[in-house]
Amino acid sequence: QLQLQESGPGLVKPSETLSLTCTVSGGPIRNSFYYWGWIRQPPGKGLEWIGSLDSSGSTYKNPSLESRVTMSVDTSKNQFSLMLSSVTAADTAVFYCARSRDAFDTWGQGTMVTVSS
Amino acid sequence: EIVLTQSPATLSLSPGERATLSCRASQSVRSYLAWYQQKPGQVPRLLIYDTSNRATGIPARFSGSGSGTDFTLTISSLEPEDFAVYYCQQRINGNTFGPGTKVDIK
Repeated sequence: QLQLQESGPGLVKPSETLSLTCTVSGGPIRNSFYYWGWIRQPPGKGLEWIGSLDSSGSTYKNPSLESRVTMSVDTSKNQFSLMLSSVTAADTAVFYCARSRDAFDTWGQGTMVTVSS
Repeated sequence: EIVLTQSPATLSLSPGERATLSCRASQSVRSYLAWYQQKPGQVPRLLIYDTSNRATGIPARFSGSGSGTDFTLTISSLEPEDFAVYYCQQRINGNTFGPGTKVDIK
């Protein structure tokens, strides 16, 4: 059974870079049928797609965040990663990683990231 | 960017009643629309993909319909565990989610 698990700091200072990793278990990330994505949810609010990438490293980003987002994949570790630069309090959210093809069908449990000094 | 609008924002119903949730896109998404359910403190769960296909393990009381810009999620008879927030999502141009519809107990 495929499982995804986010990891990374729970607290990031304003203006710094948020870095998260998603570890995939139960199946290879090097699968051309799927995309691997990041979605966030501020407290009490809705879902926002950040971006997705495929196993070759091609990336697709939310235009509203594109200038601050970097994503990468490490197929040898079965992981993919997110960096979000120049964070502010508005970036405080639960961050989810997820697999998609026709839709986001498998999600990680999510990790809360707070931006605060 | 394609904007999704969901209505109503809140739907107050009783168990056993039929729920009809709407999702409208600012431009055509063809059939590339999905629905998710999220309960408080839980991870979103995929219900429907590509307008009308139920995801694995999703009960038959959930159904989706529509095309182009107007879509509907129907829950034929609400069970106690169905009270939650429902999001639609399009994938024809990047990905965007709607703001959600909360289905609460009347």
